[in-house]
Amino acid sequence: KQEVTQIPAALSVPEGENLVLNCSFTDSAIYNLQWFRQDPGKGLTSLLLIQSSQREQTSGRLNASLDKSSGRSTLYIAASQPGDSATYLCAVTRGYQKVTFGTGTKLQVIP
Amino acid sequence: GAGVSQTPSNKVTEKGKYVELRCDPISGHTALYWYRQSLGQGPEFLIYFQGTGAADDSGLPNDRFFAVRPEGSVSTLKIQRTERGDSAVYLCASSLSPLAGANNEQFFGPGTRLTVL
Repeated sequence: KQEVTQIPAALSVPEGENLVLNCSFTDSAIYNLQWFRQDPGKGLTSLLLIQSSQREQTSGRLNASLDKSSGRSTLYIAASQPGDSATYLCAVTRGYQKVTFGTGTKLQVIP
Repeated sequence: GAGVSQTPSNKVTEKGKYVELRCDPISGHTALYWYRQSLGQGPEFLIYFQGTGAADDSGLPNDRFFAVRPEGSVSTLKIQRTERGDSAVYLCASSLSPLAGANNEQFFGPGTRLTVL
């Protein structure tokens, strides 16, 4: 059974700092890995998707990496802003239907 | 529509009642997913549709839960004899079918918050 862990559970940083969120998974036979952002009381917003054959994806200040062999992914956020405050979730897909989410990292960026 | 929509946004019901939650996916997305999210947890997979058929319903917790997608577009999640433990946010997502060469990026709706009193 796939298990997805995100560390830390919560993180508080001053504005402007670069930061890294971690995601680890137990079964490396994945189809893709997707990072999401969730604001309080809202649905999920897709940030980045990495196919199993890829090693990283970039979008603006965000960079996600994937190391399948070690079962790890990181989400790097450069020059953090208060608007980045949210919960960040990673999800891995086995085949193309079985999706397992982590419990998330709650990020607070302090102005 | 432009995104995935879900109705109602909030539903309060009494224990033992029947509820229906609706999801309207992005036009053209053949894959549709239902998830349940409890407070402080990540979404938990319930069921996946490819077109009209449920390709994987292994996440449904018991036979009180049922979902349909009769025309391959709108889906309804049905919960019978609701229990207080069913209280959660129910999320719906859709994606282009990887059978068509897509990467299965999932797009989520805003969710329905279900409260069972």
